Amino acid sequence: ENVLTQSPGTLSLSPGERATLSCRASQSVSSSYLAWYQQKPGQAPRLLICGASSRATGIPDRFSGSGSGTDFTLTISRLEPEDFAVYYCQQYDNSPWTFGQGTKVEIK
Amino acid sequence: QVQLQESGPGLVKPSETLSLTCTVSGGSISTYYWSWIRQPAGKGLEWIGRIYSSGSTNYNPSLKSRVTMSVDTSKNQFSLKLSSVTAADTAVYYCAREGGGWVPEDYWGQGTLVTVSS
Repeated sequence: ENVLTQSPGTLSLSPGERATLSCRASQSVSSSYLAWYQQKPGQAPRLLICGASSRATGIPDRFSGSGSGTDFTLTISRLEPEDFAVYYCQQYDNSPWTFGQGTKVEIK
Repeated sequence: QVQLQESGPGLVKPSETLSLTCTVSGGSISTYYWSWIRQPAGKGLEWIGRIYSSGSTNYNPSLKSRVTMSVDTSKNQFSLKLSSVTAADTAVYYCAREGGGWVPEDYWGQGTLVTVSS
């Protein structure tokens, strides 16, 4: 299976700062099949980005995705208070779909 | 607006079978893939598998020998059975819809905690 490794494990930032999250795959992922999710405590994951760079419906434009092959990035241009959460990448190129272990973005 | 709701026992004994149902409202279950994903407390997400509205399935090889998924289009429901459970199967179980094409799981249920304990 395609193992996804996210870094860093925890990102400590202040509101208004820029967040850069990394996702590295053990096997190449077609760009059309890499997603990012946001999860807050006690809630289901929320789809942010699909196709590596396309924002899902209703997602603010401060969220952007980029990358190809084995290296992908989620960028939050200016952190809002509601953005502090755990973020997961997912590949849905080859079964079984797999998720990274998550990056926690916490308030510094 | 599509909504999904998981239902089933919150407590299952070791070696027994975990059974969950997901009810879809606000849209048809037809022409989509429907997934099950689980998350142990404080840990990451694990994709269990998916079922198409026609009944075609894909399972995670790590669970394939114990997983059965089914769909009931007349009730707009799909289901998960996981046999021979152990404490390692204790988790929040989510059902979700795959959006189709290059859209992955876009609608999720709220999740249901299943604890495996005697």
